[in-house]
Order: sequence, then structure tokens, then C-alpha cells
Amino acid sequence: EPEVTQTPSHQVTQMGQEVILRCVPISNHLYFYWYRQILGQKVEFLVSFYNNEISEKSEIFDDQFSVERPDGSNFTLKIRSTKLEDSAMYFCASKVARLNEKLFFGSGTQLSVL
Amino acid sequence: AQRVTQPEKLLSVFKGAPVELKCNYSYSGSPELFWYVQYSRQRLQLLLRHISRESIKGFTADLNKGETSFHLKKPFAQEEDSAMYYCALSNQAGTALIFGKGTTLSVSS
Repeated sequence: EPEVTQTPSHQVTQMGQEVILRCVPISNHLYFYWYRQILGQKVEFLVSFYNNEISEKSEIFDDQFSVERPDGSNFTLKIRSTKLEDSAMYFCASKVARLNEKLFFGSGTQLSVL
Repeated sequence: AQRVTQPEKLLSVFKGAPVELKCNYSYSGSPELFWYVQYSRQRLQLLLRHISRESIKGFTADLNKGETSFHLKKPFAQEEDSAMYYCALSNQAGTALIFGKGTTLSVSS
């Protein structure tokens, strides 16, 4: 079965630094998502992306966050100035169609902000 | 507002016992509901969705609009069912999937 791939698997950064988390969604998928999971808490929706623009975003996804699909295959999440509370597992996901479709998740990037 | 509630953080059962993982939702429109599972050291994956009315690995879930519930059931639990289970609700536009807090199912022999 095809997979969503995420790199790196672990990222450590200093508070205030910019980080870019990378994802390669499944090739024929059109809808892309970022989720995060703070340790011990639930999986939280951050943003969805379709047709090169944001479809929906949560309250968590403030001006410090941005997403981009720079080259037709990668899907990136950028955090401009990381805070301690950004430490979490970040999951990328994709699906082929909008409704009633299975969401495929990547294995996640563990971000640690020191 | 959309909300998914999974009241149990942990459910421990013996092998062969019935399992019911509870999920209640709050949504003003027609909900699309899913169960996702995360086995140890594996990625989140879809278990089943209400629209398919399917049974996967012996699990079923029925949408009860009157009780706004979508409980996950299996008549006889197996040790390999041990995992974290998340109930999830999609908005009508399909642009966001909202997860509950998850229930850890532990099946012991």
C-alpha cells in the first residue's frame, strides 16, 4: 500500500528558531493535512490544503504557521519562531477525495523545542 | 461546535471478552464518523467508517443519531487488538477531521 512519508522523524530546535517539517503525500492524492499531538493529549487538527490553498485551519494554526506545496510533490509545514509549547508529534495526512475517504497518515515528526 | 468525546482513557479486558469503546459526538449537520487505530509504533490508520457499514477485524460501529453515538464493538477481543483507538468526525465539507482523545484498549490473556 502506498504511504505518506515524513522527514525528519525527529527534529530538535532552539526556541525562536524556524523549522520546516516535510511530507510527501501519496502521489494521486489531492487533499493534504497537518495534525499535531502533544504528548499525552489528543490528535489535533491544524490545517487542510487543496488546490494550492488552505481549505480550513484551526485556532492553533496562527501566523507562526504556514504551509506550502513547493514542487507538486512535497507538502511542508513551517513554524517561523518556535515556542516550547510547539513541542509535539506532527502528522501529515492525505486523501484522494474530499468526502468519505480514508485519510492516510505519515509516521510523524517528533519536534522538540528546547 | 464539533466535538468528539471518548469518555474512557483506558479499557482493559481479557481475551475473548466483548469490547465496547464509546464515542459520542456533537455536530449540527449530518456527521461522517470514523474509527482510527494506532498500534504500538505504527502510524494512525483507518479502521472503519460509518458510511461503509463494514466489519473490519471483527469490529463494527453503528451510528445512532438519536444518542449521537458511534460506539465501536467487538464480540470477542484478541490480544492483537491492543492499541489506541480514536473516534473521529469529519465536517460536512470534508476539510477537517476532528479526533476524540482516544481510548487505549488493553487485551490480556
